[in-house]
Amino acid sequence: SQELEQSPQSLIVQEGKNLTINCTSSKTLYGLYWYKQKYGEGLIFLMMLQKGGEEKSHEKITAKLDEKKQQSSLHITASQPSHAGIYLCGADMGSGGSNYKLTFGKGTLLTVNP
Amino acid sequence: NAGVTQTPKFRVLKTGQSMTLLCAQDMNHEYMYWYRQDPGMGLRLIHYSVGEGTTAKGEVPDGYNVSRLKKQNFLLGLESAAPSQTSVYFCASSSRVRAGGPTDTQYFGPGTRLTVL
Repeated sequence: SQELEQSPQSLIVQEGKNLTINCTSSKTLYGLYWYKQKYGEGLIFLMMLQKGGEEKSHEKITAKLDEKKQQSSLHITASQPSHAGIYLCGADMGSGGSNYKLTFGKGTLLTVNP
Repeated sequence: NAGVTQTPKFRVLKTGQSMTLLCAQDMNHEYMYWYRQDPGMGLRLIHYSVGEGTTAKGEVPDGYNVSRLKKQNFLLGLESAAPSQTSVYFCASSSRVRAGGPTDTQYFGPGTRLTVL
């Protein structure tokens, strides 16, 4: 079974609408990383969350990590066509400081219609 | 800074041919990684390195070899390419893990799109 579940798999929204993407694990997340990928390009780092209840924002994108550190959400406010792409979450599921590998979700494909 | 670069960007191979993918980073990162990305499978770790001269197997290492002779370079080799190795390959790097902290952010290259016929 997939250790890191992303939902939804794909999302189509009208420009200006808000949206949320979720990333869920059955294990404690010691670090949670959000990336964005445009078709045919590499992954661009967005934000990293570490502490339970932590929330970070960059422009119109806000990421949160729940108190139990098993679920993260990525929220986009007033979406624009430039937000379109694949959003991936990656997680450090090790015991903190001893694991340098990330486990990735399968990604969420976001389409924003003008 | 160029960050993480990969060469080539595209390649088409015939079954049985060999090739090497080159990854270079200019951020003085200790750790480097090779992933493959396939539709519906997400990103899967092939091999990784925690320092110059070291390599380790990831989730899907079969059919691939790697070398890290210089800190800034990480090479991925396919000795005898198979159609199942058709994929997009990404290299990433990160700095040393902080004591007691999570792994540091991984920075990715632009990818190599490989087709094996």
